[in-house]
Amino acid sequence: GDSVTQMEGPVTLSEEAFLTINCTYTATGYPSLFWYVQYPGEGLQLLLKATKADDKGSNKGFEATYRKETTSFHLEKGSVQVSDSAVYFCALSDQSGNTPLVFGKGTRLSVIA
Amino acid sequence: EPEVTQTPSHQVTQMGQEVILRCVPISNHLYFYWYRQILGQKVEFLVSFYNNEISEKSEIFDDQFSVERPDGSNFTLKIRSTKLEDSAMYFCASRDRGYGYTFGSGTRLTVV
Repeated sequence: GDSVTQMEGPVTLSEEAFLTINCTYTATGYPSLFWYVQYPGEGLQLLLKATKADDKGSNKGFEATYRKETTSFHLEKGSVQVSDSAVYFCALSDQSGNTPLVFGKGTRLSVIA
Repeated sequence: EPEVTQTPSHQVTQMGQEVILRCVPISNHLYFYWYRQILGQKVEFLVSFYNNEISEKSEIFDDQFSVERPDGSNFTLKIRSTKLEDSAMYFCASRDRGYGYTFGSGTRLTVV
């Protein structure tokens, strides 16, 4: 079945450092890809998405590019802030978005001042 | 901004007891879901609900689990006879058409 693999955390960075969280997937067909974020005590929030190959999703300074050739959707941010400390989840569904989300394990990011 | 509300935020129960986890989805959403995350593991799909019936369920969602939308607003997950391995964070989500899932903040269930 479909699956998502994320880099293991936790990741600890200093403020203004560059962030990469790796995500690769296995899926039949052409899935839609997502990054969700969970801040402490809150629910999962959609951070960004991409629905076809070479699409770049972006939001709040975060970016991820749908790479079909490497089946990857790595999350990047050029300069992290303390407020970015959270757990980040990579996920996929079918292209229409109608199948249940398949999540990775999540990567905890801690940003220190 | 509309949100999905889950109660309680934390529940402790004895093995073999029944628990009901409650969710209030966004009112005009059409699709409803339960997911769970065992500590340190992946967020796993349990069940989806559409048009007042289960539309899809995973292997995890066995006869011990049931869902209901009793009054058109609440969406509940019942576990009939809890086991230690049911200890997890349970997330409710709702969705309009398309990709717009909204998740609740979760209920942490601890079975002792």
